[in-house]
Amino acid sequence: QSVLTQPPSVSGAPGQRVTISCTGSSSNIGAGLDVHWYQVLPGTAPKLLIFGNSHRPSGVPDRFSGSKSGTSASLAITGLQADDEADYYCQSYDTSLSGYVFGTGTKVTVL
Amino acid sequence: EVQLVQSGAEVKKPGESLRISCKGFGYSFTNYWISWVRQMPGKGLEWMGRIDPSDSSTKYSPSFQGHVTMSSDKSISTAYLQWSSLKASDTAMYYCARGLWGSDFDYWGQGTLVTASS
Repeated sequence: QSVLTQPPSVSGAPGQRVTISCTGSSSNIGAGLDVHWYQVLPGTAPKLLIFGNSHRPSGVPDRFSGSKSGTSASLAITGLQADDEADYYCQSYDTSLSGYVFGTGTKVTVL
Repeated sequence: EVQLVQSGAEVKKPGESLRISCKGFGYSFTNYWISWVRQMPGKGLEWMGRIDPSDSSTKYSPSFQGHVTMSSDKSISTAYLQWSSLKASDTAMYYCARGLWGSDFDYWGQGTLVTASS
């Protein structure tokens, strides 16, 4: 069962900005645990997109940015491109479960 | 270069046993936990549990406790996920991923597709 809630889908035209929310609770995001984001392209393994709430691994374009506030986090994609069409997942650690938790996932569609 | 390389796709019958593997390259295998993540067809990512290869200690998600067993052999930098009796509902893609307490998963295996069908 996912304890991090994301919108099922978001969409935007090429060049636009979209944001994906990730809502948790006081036992994960609200407890000060970091939020990380992954991109899952069809038929491929998840790829780390944002770590530590807002940091990009080497090679990830600066069109992708992350933020965190309270019990929620957000991923923003600016200058939307066709190859950004993918599923996106947030992830954190839950102190009540003593384990990792993923978000419900969001499908990004480029119109 | 850090890599996690998983064993190939498996087709089994319900009730059969199975063990899949994840071998680490390019880093000290005992310095990072290995987590297993399930993705059922058309569904999201689910954390199954993790193993610490340094001492083989494990932590399972309550959803998977008792259904799978995680193990590792640090001498060959390999982690394993096994089932004693597969169910049709175990059909999914399984990923291994590297991480630490509270951290991200920075490297992932390519995935192992497990199909359990009569």
